[in-house]
Amino acid sequence: QVQLVQSGAEVKKPGASVKVSCKASGYTFTSYDINWVRQATGQGLEWMGWMNPNSGNTGYAQKFQGRVTMTRNTSISTAYMELSSLRSEDTAVYYCARTNDYWGQGTLVTVSS
Amino acid sequence: DIQMTQSPSTLSASVGDRVTITCRASQSISSWLAWYQQKPGKAPKLLIYKASSLESGVPSRFSGSGSGTEFTLTISSLQPDDFATYYCQQYNSYRWTFGQGTKVEIK
Repeated sequence: QVQLVQSGAEVKKPGASVKVSCKASGYTFTSYDINWVRQATGQGLEWMGWMNPNSGNTGYAQKFQGRVTMTRNTSISTAYMELSSLRSEDTAVYYCARTNDYWGQGTLVTVSS
Repeated sequence: DIQMTQSPSTLSASVGDRVTITCRASQSISSWLAWYQQKPGKAPKLLIYKASSLESGVPSRFSGSGSGTEFTLTISSLQPDDFATYYCQQYNSYRWTFGQGTKVEIK
């Protein structure tokens, strides 16, 4: 069965970077795009960007341009999302999603001094 | 970017009620619209894709309609498990956008 398993919760200081992983199983990793979406506590869903695991091509929301990098390691069917220059407003649950049908369980990133 | 306007933001209903949620796109997205259900502490769950296609395993009381800029999600007979927050999402371009969400509460 298709599964996306994300890395565990992170606590970071303002100005630091965080890298969240998303390990895919149950399907051919390079056949479906991976998107990243975040959700602050009590708020709605916010799309961050997209990656084609086959080509490595990416597209980012303008809000995150220059701060976000999406990569992958096809040998281990894992996608990564790195967000830099963290601020308190980046505290949220970060999700990876295969196209829009299967989602990871979410990774809580807390930014606090 | 395409803006998605969802209404209402909150809806109070009883078990057995027919419920309709509306989503409007700022420009035509053809039928590239999905509906999700989200419960607290859980990832969104895909209910409807391509505006009206029911995702496998989703109860038939859920249905979607619309095309272009106007879309609706209908729950024909609200069940206790359906109290949750619902989001529309456009995927006409690779840049997804979501509606603000509709919280369905117990009346």
